[in-house]
Amino acid sequence: AQTVTQSQPEMSVQEAETVTLSCTYDTSESDYYLFWYKQPPSRQMILVIRQEAYKQQNATENRFSVNFQKAAKSFSLKISDSQLGDAAMYFCAYRSRNTGKLIFGQGTTLQVKP
Amino acid sequence: GAGVSQSPSNKVTEKGKDVELRCDPISGHTALYWYRQRLGQGLEFLIYFQGNSAPDKSGLPSDRFSAERTGESVSTLTIQRTQQEDSAVYLCASSSDRVSYEQYFGPGTRLTVT
Repeated sequence: AQTVTQSQPEMSVQEAETVTLSCTYDTSESDYYLFWYKQPPSRQMILVIRQEAYKQQNATENRFSVNFQKAAKSFSLKISDSQLGDAAMYFCAYRSRNTGKLIFGQGTTLQVKP
Repeated sequence: GAGVSQSPSNKVTEKGKDVELRCDPISGHTALYWYRQRLGQGLEFLIYFQGNSAPDKSGLPSDRFSAERTGESVSTLTIQRTQQEDSAVYLCASSSDRVSYEQYFGPGTRLTVT
């Protein structure tokens, strides 16, 4: 069975600085998707960025980028120029190619200090 | 258009009572998912509906949990004889088709069992 691990329960960053959130996963599959979701106190899950395992190029969405290391089964999220609105819980998630269900890590709470 | 909606937003029930949670997916979305999120934890997959296919119930924690979906619209998650450990936020998500990798989440229902 696939598992997702986020080893940092809490992280903090100064506004305008850069922070990296870690995620590792375990799978025997070769084709899958990886995601980072943001969950603010409103509970609304928001998709931040996604990566397809067969693509070697790291995904980027504005200030958010990932470092995808397939052999190491690592998928970290880098947030550049952190903003107060980035404060939230961040979840890493895995999805097999042939099924829709997402497997989530335990989450990292990000605090942004003004 | 409208996003995924869930009702009620909050539900308090006594131990041993049955509860029904409702999810209205985005119109036209064929896939619908239920997840459970315990306090401070990641999301756990419960059940997944895809069109007319048999649902994937592999995440349901016990036979007290069941879910139905009417065609490609509303879904109801039912928990019978609720226990205190059922207290959690129940999140619903929908996506446009099986191979679509983006799930759109509702705001969740916070269930408290006293």
